[in-house]
Amino acid sequence: EVQLVESGGDLVQPGGSSRLSCAASGFTFKNYAMSWVRQAPGKGLEWVSGINAGGESTYYADSVKGRFTISRDNSKNTLFLQINSLRAEDTAIYYCAKVPFGGDYVDYWGQGTLVTVSS
Amino acid sequence: AIRMTQSPSSFSASTGDRVTITCRASQGISNYLAWYQQQPGKAPKLLIYAASTLQSGVPSRFSGSGSGTDFTLTVSSLQSEDFATYYCQQYSTYPLTFGGGTKVEIK
Repeated sequence: EVQLVESGGDLVQPGGSSRLSCAASGFTFKNYAMSWVRQAPGKGLEWVSGINAGGESTYYADSVKGRFTISRDNSKNTLFLQINSLRAEDTAIYYCAKVPFGGDYVDYWGQGTLVTVSS
Repeated sequence: AIRMTQSPSSFSASTGDRVTITCRASQGISNYLAWYQQQPGKAPKLLIYAASTLQSGVPSRFSGSGSGTDFTLTVSSLQSEDFATYYCQQYSTYPLTFGGGTKVEIK
């Protein structure tokens, strides 16, 4: 069974940083691309960032480019999102997402971790 | 970025109704479109990918169609567990983008 368990969400001050982690199990992590998708309270889904299976290629939404960094440790089956220079509008549930072969959609989602940016 | 526009943003329906949700892309995306269902307080769930391919385990009352810029998600006979919010997503081009969502409520 595929499991994605996020951690690292917290209350962060504007301008602050945090590192989100996603522990993956139930599939061969090193073979799959992964993404982060977020959802602000009461709002819709927003794709944030993606990374290919080997970690060599990364992609970002314009709203986070230059502030967020996606990475992965295939030896530890873990996906990361370093989030810097946080703004109030970054407040959201951040979902870890598995990408299947053949398409950049999401076939499995984690339960999400909440990042709140507030003073 | 490709803009995905869903309509309607919300509507009410009854159990047993046939319902259709529309998603329009601001430029052609071939069939690189997925549909998700999200229940309140839960993570989204994949329903359909490649515009019309049903994800394993998803009931056959769900179907998708379209290509290019115009797409539809149809539920042939709405069940109680189908009252939720639905999102389309294009994966033709980075940045990946979602539609704004369609909330299906009980009439």
